[in-house]
Amino acid sequence: DAGVTQSPTHLIKTRGQQVTLRCSPKSGHDTVSWYQQALGQGPQFIFQYYEEEERQRGNFPDRFSGHQFPNYSSELNVNALLLGDSALYLCASSFKGTGGRETQYFGPGTRLLVL
Amino acid sequence: AQKVTQAQTEISVVEKEDVTLDCVYETRDTTYYLFWYKQPPSGELVFLIRRNSFDEQNEISGRYSWNFQKSTSSFNFTITASQVVDSAVYFCALSDRIGESGAGSYQLTFGKGTKLSVIP
Repeated sequence: DAGVTQSPTHLIKTRGQQVTLRCSPKSGHDTVSWYQQALGQGPQFIFQYYEEEERQRGNFPDRFSGHQFPNYSSELNVNALLLGDSALYLCASSFKGTGGRETQYFGPGTRLLVL
Repeated sequence: AQKVTQAQTEISVVEKEDVTLDCVYETRDTTYYLFWYKQPPSGELVFLIRRNSFDEQNEISGRYSWNFQKSTSSFNFTITASQVVDSAVYFCALSDRIGESGAGSYQLTFGKGTKLSVIP
């Protein structure tokens, strides 16, 4: 049973560029959440997708956008990259079920470096 | 506002020692969930345990045990007879409802983590 997968594993971009990160959820999961983890910090919630719609959003600017596909996989897009966007980006999947009290399972992350 | 505090930034212990990682949380919700995750150097967050706010029973799983005390808003994690493989960053997280959103989504709020080093 495959867990959460993310691609690419590492990425180097320059300021002002745009980046797309990809995530495939764990089998049986229908919800994908994205987190940004700066060095030495805990993960910060970016947004969550369920039924192909953004359901919740953390305190991140509109430069951060996403998408969920019918097969539940998801993309995170970041436009106009800033040096401060350098971080580990984590994807987590869960099963919405009833009540939304789901446990989130995380992928290995994508390390983004902005120069 | 939700908040998770892990006051211990780094801890070093010698192998076979017991170690306790502290976690204190703040929430206005009466229904919430608490989690511990382990993050080895590879970066992937590994789920360890989930506890809901109505269940204050302590839990033991092998060398791991968790002490949930609602009265002090704490959810501490103890590793007994630590091993080198336990070396990692450990995160405590709180999941509570942030407004109403369709199927009732909960948002995870993480602490800053405690880096545990187990020395052979």
